[in-house]
Amino acid sequence: ETGVTQTPRHLVMGMTNKKSLKCEQHLGHNAMYWYKQSAKKPLELMFVYNFKEQTENNSVPSRFSPECPNSSHLFLHLHTLQPEDSALYLCASSQGRSGRPSGNTIYFGEGSWLTVV
Amino acid sequence: GDSVTQMEGPVTLSEEAFLTINCTYTATGYPSLFWYVQYPGEGLQLLLKATKADDKGSNKGFEATYRKETTSFHLEKGSVQVSDSAVYFCALSPTGANSKLTFGKGITLSVRP
Repeated sequence: ETGVTQTPRHLVMGMTNKKSLKCEQHLGHNAMYWYKQSAKKPLELMFVYNFKEQTENNSVPSRFSPECPNSSHLFLHLHTLQPEDSALYLCASSQGRSGRPSGNTIYFGEGSWLTVV
Repeated sequence: GDSVTQMEGPVTLSEEAFLTINCTYTATGYPSLFWYVQYPGEGLQLLLKATKADDKGSNKGFEATYRKETTSFHLEKGSVQVSDSAVYFCALSPTGANSKLTFGKGITLSVRP
């Protein structure tokens, strides 16, 4: 138990579906992240939120839409995905501080396995 | 840009064997260095870290020393167990910017009884 909870753990969706991934952290952190883990590729940082504000979008296609309503919750809204978007999506959090996430340890959730058919 | 290079895998060892997993990095300044572990079906867990040159991170019998002269952060364990079977990721973050965590490709370790 890392203090970062992701739901659902597994999701299968069609290319025309709309679904969302949810992440909740119980660590009192202020920075939250979405990473993508594909087979045989390094983990890719997708988005960073610091104090609910998006501070980084790593050239992610618009079919992925993040939402951070508060410092404890992070969503990834999915719409018209492609089969190549099938991957493990990892949420993470860290302490952060006003202005930018600081050099603190990142804690990961267990991930949501996404399959696009 | 920053990058992390890990040795090619997978690695298969017998129980109680000595483990070394190589990791080298390219970065400006003085990054922090991390090893994360991913057990089957789970997310990433921080295994150990080092934040400055010559620091040694250690946890669960694993060790890694931050070597700035060789830009390396090799992971070692003296006697592996079957429960150590997992994927191991080396990562770095520039000073003061943990949001820029850069990972290596990861290496799968399988330990036979």
